[in-house]
Amino acid sequence: GAGVSQSPSNKVTEKGKDVELRCDPISGHTALYWYRQSLGQGLEFLIYFQGNSAPDKSGLPSDRFSAERTGGSVSTLTIQRTQQEDSAVYLCASSHTSMTGEQFFGPGTRLTVL
Amino acid sequence: ELKVEQNPLFLSMQEGKNYTIYCNYSTTSDRLYWYRQDPGKSLESLFVLLSNGAVKQEGRLMASLDTKARLSTLHITAAVHDLSATYFCAVASINSGGGADGLTFGKGTHLIIQP
Repeated sequence: GAGVSQSPSNKVTEKGKDVELRCDPISGHTALYWYRQSLGQGLEFLIYFQGNSAPDKSGLPSDRFSAERTGGSVSTLTIQRTQQEDSAVYLCASSHTSMTGEQFFGPGTRLTVL
Repeated sequence: ELKVEQNPLFLSMQEGKNYTIYCNYSTTSDRLYWYRQDPGKSLESLFVLLSNGAVKQEGRLMASLDTKARLSTLHITAAVHDLSATYFCAVASINSGGGADGLTFGKGTHLIIQP
């Protein structure tokens, strides 16, 4: 596709359940980023992939959060044992490896934990 | 730790007026980005500023970067209602491979332009 796509667009889950969020980057983009946007915290960087590897996972909020990327393309962000404070919009972005580093964002997944 | 501060955080202005949004950041970086977000939508890239003195213009919006002052500005000329949105500046940390790590965003400026 022409842009970054994410699924699902909305996810409502019960506290304690696991959720998996998916991101399809722009074709040919080697870098992929996950962010979280919430009213209280603004936009927070979570994790970054260059190819399939994530050099720094320190931005993940807790050990309940994990992410992987396979084949240098699709990425999944998994949240285990969800808590109410995990409710937010999760945004994915991708970037071509270039000097500009311009990141293009997907439409996001709105996660609501009841 | 990289910090990015925008001001103002909220701005209500009339059509036809000019205004400037300021973005200060705390550590050395020569990559600064401006994004626009409409309600319920994702982030749209507006400008990429990569060097000291860089100036970019698109329509009624103009962005500039002063890396020595660690300051970027987004200037709105003769505002129109369609420019109502939230505007974010973001600064990149550069990793050892020369690529951009995650962006650190300002809190955003919520801009309302009254017809």
